Amino acid sequence: GAVVSQHPSWVICKSGTSVKIECRSLDFQATTMFWYRQFPKQSLMLMATSNEGSKATYEQGVEKDKFLINHASLTLSTLTVTSAHPEDSSFYICSAPRTSTGELFFGEGSRLTVL
Amino acid sequence: DAKTTQPNSMESNEEEPVHLPCNHSTISGTDYIHWYRQLPSQGPEYVIHGLTSNVNNRMASLAIAEDRKSSTLILHRATLRDAAVYYCILRDVNTGRRALTFGSGTRLQVQP
Repeated sequence: GAVVSQHPSWVICKSGTSVKIECRSLDFQATTMFWYRQFPKQSLMLMATSNEGSKATYEQGVEKDKFLINHASLTLSTLTVTSAHPEDSSFYICSAPRTSTGELFFGEGSRLTVL
Repeated sequence: DAKTTQPNSMESNEEEPVHLPCNHSTISGTDYIHWYRQLPSQGPEYVIHGLTSNVNNRMASLAIAEDRKSSTLILHRATLRDAAVYYCILRDVNTGRRALTFGSGTRLQVQP
């Protein structure tokens, strides 16, 4: 079964609203989680690294004020897309390494459609 | 991270073996070769990984060239459910908890 779970799996929102996506590690603690974005027919692009107890690290070109990341606990990271616009429509995927072994697990992905 | 090169797409027939190649000529001695696949509308899933020796698991086999500059993922009997994008990724053993960097991968189509 899934060891990293994302919610919601899909969401449709109006332009200008904010959307929160959750990423949970189900049976292990993850001090670090990674957020990716994937546009149609393209590969996964790393957006940011979420760190429990400290600020997230953003990749170059990713607006930290637009994509708010909060690593609330050792099993939960959230990505909030603020003031979403149609160009933010994408497939958002989180990933978490098991702290004890380094094995990397991926969530099922969350498809965001902004109208 | 060292770069990998994969064909953009491949086709296979159902129940036939599939050999997915990956070139990684700049691989370092501490790089593991990882394969992940991404089914349509899903997150990537781990397939297999290896360092020097060939590896087998229930999903696939990984054949690694003697000089480690290339590897081949082998699906012994392709099914329609194996249609996915397959990513070959090098991961340094010393940076095991860093994010993976994905290339464009190989899109495998399986014909019935």
